[in-house]
Amino acid sequence: AQSVAQPEDQVNVAEGNPLTVKCTYSVSGNPYLFWYVQYPNRGLQFLLKYITGDNLVKGSYGFEAEFNKSQTSFHLKKPSALVSDSALYFCAVRAYRAGTALIFGKGTTLSVSS
Amino acid sequence: DGGITQSPKYLFRKEGQNVTLSCEQNLNHDAMYWYRQDPGQGLRLIYYSQIVNDFQKGDIAEGYSVSREKKESFPLTVTSAQKNPTAFYLCASSAEVGEKLFFGSGTQLSVL
Repeated sequence: AQSVAQPEDQVNVAEGNPLTVKCTYSVSGNPYLFWYVQYPNRGLQFLLKYITGDNLVKGSYGFEAEFNKSQTSFHLKKPSALVSDSALYFCAVRAYRAGTALIFGKGTTLSVSS
Repeated sequence: DGGITQSPKYLFRKEGQNVTLSCEQNLNHDAMYWYRQDPGQGLRLIYYSQIVNDFQKGDIAEGYSVSREKKESFPLTVTSAQKNPTAFYLCASSAEVGEKLFFGSGTQLSVL
């Protein structure tokens, strides 16, 4: 069975500082990994995905994520946080096998203070 | 303007009542999904459909039903068997199952 864990319910960071939102996964075979962001009372927006290739994936709004196969992790990062980055972030995974739906983590609330 | 439309934005259910949440997409996607969002529990998969007239149960399908009679529509019925229906329901679609998801704006269902 596939699963994803986001160990932190909330991450607090000051504007201008680097941020990291953690994600670990469990899946049979090679994973497809995704990050999504949700603003209050809205649907989720796609940030980035990893399928194969470079372990560092660049996405929307200056975000990037690093895939680490040995640690089964896919942490979301940004070099310099903005107050407008404050939102709920979800990591998602699916198995490489075709026809498998995405499974989401519980989400991490990012709060960026000015 | 392409996208996914969910309606209504807010819905109230009386005890013993079935209610249906609408989801329509004009992205020409084959796959569609329903997720339930509860605070602190993230998104949980209810049902998904890879193609018209086909759908699969997700992790929490009990008390819910779906149909997929048209490519662009994937309505979700919350039946009276679902004892704790209060949640935020999100519909999504993708070109194929497991690919990048596009989400609607959600429906907040509450019990009267």
